[in-house]
Amino acid sequence: QLQLHESGPGLLKPSETLSLTCSVSGGSISSSSYHWGWIRQPPGKGLEWIGSIYYSGSTYYNPSLKSRVTMSVDTSKNQFSLKLSSVTAADTAMYYCARLGYEGGARFDPWGQGTLVTVSS
Amino acid sequence: DIQLTQSPSFLSASVGDRVTITCRASQGINSYLAWYQQKPGKAPKLLIYAASTLQSGVPSRFSGSGSGTEFTLTISSLQPEDFATYSCQQLSSYPRVTFGGGTKVEIK
Repeated sequence: QLQLHESGPGLLKPSETLSLTCSVSGGSISSSSYHWGWIRQPPGKGLEWIGSIYYSGSTYYNPSLKSRVTMSVDTSKNQFSLKLSSVTAADTAMYYCARLGYEGGARFDPWGQGTLVTVSS
Repeated sequence: DIQLTQSPSFLSASVGDRVTITCRASQGINSYLAWYQQKPGKAPKLLIYAASTLQSGVPSRFSGSGSGTEFTLTISSLQPEDFATYSCQQLSSYPRVTFGGGTKVEIK
């Protein structure tokens, strides 16, 4: 059973860089059938796609965040990572990683449990 | 970018009710739509993809329909465990993803 788990600092100061890692277990991140994504959800608000990455390292970012986002993948560790620079209070959110399947219909499944990131001085 | 608008944003219903949630896309997305259920403090759970394909393990009281710009999620007989927030998601212009704003289903 595939499982994903997010990890990283939960509290940042404005202007710092958010760094999160998603560890994948129960399956290979190198599968050609899937991409891997990051999604966030500010408190009390809806879901926002941040970006996706393929095991080859190809990346796709939300245009609204593109200037601040960097994603990477480490196939040897079965992990992928997110960096978001110059954070502000508006970046306070629950951050989820998820597998993105697209054959037969694009969907995120499964999801990690999420990690709360708070930006505060 | 393609926008998804869900309606209603809030819904009050009773156990046993038939519930329908609508998701409208700002332009045609064929059938590239998924639905998720999210309970407080939990990650979203995939219910339906490709507009009408039920994810394995999801109860058959959930169904999805639609294509193009208008889609619906129907719960045929609302159960106590179904009180949650439901969100739609599109990926027609791969790999750009957008989500709807969510519909919160609460107990009447």
